Amino acid sequence: EDQVTQSPEALRLQEGESSSLNCSYTVSGLRGLFWYRQDPGKGPEFLFTLYSAGEEKEKERLKATLTKKESFLHITAPKPEDSATYLCAVGSNYKLTFGKGTLLTVNP
Amino acid sequence: GAGVSQSPRYKVAKRGQDVALRCDPISGHVSLFWYQQALGQGPEFLTYFQNEAQLDKSGLPSDRFFAERPEGSVSTLKIQRTQQEDSAVYLCASSLNAGTSFEQFFGPGTRLTVL
Repeated sequence: EDQVTQSPEALRLQEGESSSLNCSYTVSGLRGLFWYRQDPGKGPEFLFTLYSAGEEKEKERLKATLTKKESFLHITAPKPEDSATYLCAVGSNYKLTFGKGTLLTVNP
Repeated sequence: GAGVSQSPRYKVAKRGQDVALRCDPISGHVSLFWYQQALGQGPEFLTYFQNEAQLDKSGLPSDRFFAERPEGSVSTLKIQRTQQEDSAVYLCASSLNAGTSFEQFFGPGTRLTVL
């Protein structure tokens, strides 16, 4: 059974204070590691897909990296508008298995 | 272009009522998924369609849950005789093709509250 564990559950940062979110996973056959952002009352918004260990992708202040056992979402110099829940998911076939998410709060 | 849309956005039902939740996927997307998201949890897979064929319904919690996509576009998730434990956000997602373009794009969800 595919499993995803995200840590920390919640993270509070000051504006400009860089940090990383962790996603550990076990999967029978990885077809992709996905990061989504979810704002309150909205559906998950797609950010990145990573397919193989060593792969990295960047978007504005976010960079996602992948190893064989975990993925990191690095947030550089965050702004208050980066506050959201960040969800990690693995795809082993067609379905996605999600973690519980990390609630990120960035204070001005 | 338009994203995935869902209606209604909010639904309040009395225990025992039947409800129907609608999903309009992104035009041209072959694959459609339903997920259930409880408060403070990540989305959990319910069912998967490729065109009009329901290829996986292993995540549906009980036989009170039924999903269809008769023409390979719009999908409806129906819950019969709703129970309080059915209260959750129901998310619909679509993908160009589950086999190749794997990114799933989500709608805003329908928040179901069963009293």
